[in-house]
Amino acid sequence: RKEVEQDPGPFNVPEGATVAFNCTYSNSASQSFFWYRQDCRKEPKLLMSVYSSGNEDGRFTAQLNRASQYISLLIRDSKLSDSATYLCVVISGTYKYIFGTGTRLKVLA
Amino acid sequence: DVKVTQSSRYLVKRTGEKVFLECVQDMDHENMFWYRQDPGLGLRLIYFSYDVKMKEKGDIPEGYSVSREKKERFSLILESASTNQTSMYLCASSLSTGPGDNYGYTFGSGTRLTVV
Repeated sequence: RKEVEQDPGPFNVPEGATVAFNCTYSNSASQSFFWYRQDCRKEPKLLMSVYSSGNEDGRFTAQLNRASQYISLLIRDSKLSDSATYLCVVISGTYKYIFGTGTRLKVLA
Repeated sequence: DVKVTQSSRYLVKRTGEKVFLECVQDMDHENMFWYRQDPGLGLRLIYFSYDVKMKEKGDIPEGYSVSREKKERFSLILESASTNQTSMYLCASSLSTGPGDNYGYTFGSGTRLTVV
């Protein structure tokens, strides 16, 4: 079983839709979690950290479910510019960032 | 904003050549990392460094070495390039790491290396 798993997609959604991705992790001792966004042929960029109580940044909401060992990212009112690959990152142990392989989102006009 | 600069955006090298990939960060970060990214495999850690002259192997160090003589610079060396090292190479730096880290990484823009 991979340490961090994501549905590769693509998720094709119309503009204005709400879309959610999950990311599961296998190490129950994992402490910190992030979502990164990666545009085609560009580097990953930090989108948001994921806090235990859940957190929101504009149209983006991140949640952590420790019992079921997954994190989620919800995007409301999708924009064309949201089209990208979304990577989840889990920190397990010191210096050990583990990246998922990403979920591809296409927002359609 | 933290800036992480990788010296080349695209490189084409021949099999057997020694290749140097340079990475410089300007925010006095302790931790620096080298990853490669391949379709379907995601990002895989090659080496990292948490201090000057310190280095630790990541998940796939074979065929690579690193050098960190100054805090701001972390170099990745392919001792004898092979075609299976054709990939996107990403350098990253971070302020902190480990449990409780809420800062994340900042990545450089990547070097797309092709070995022919």
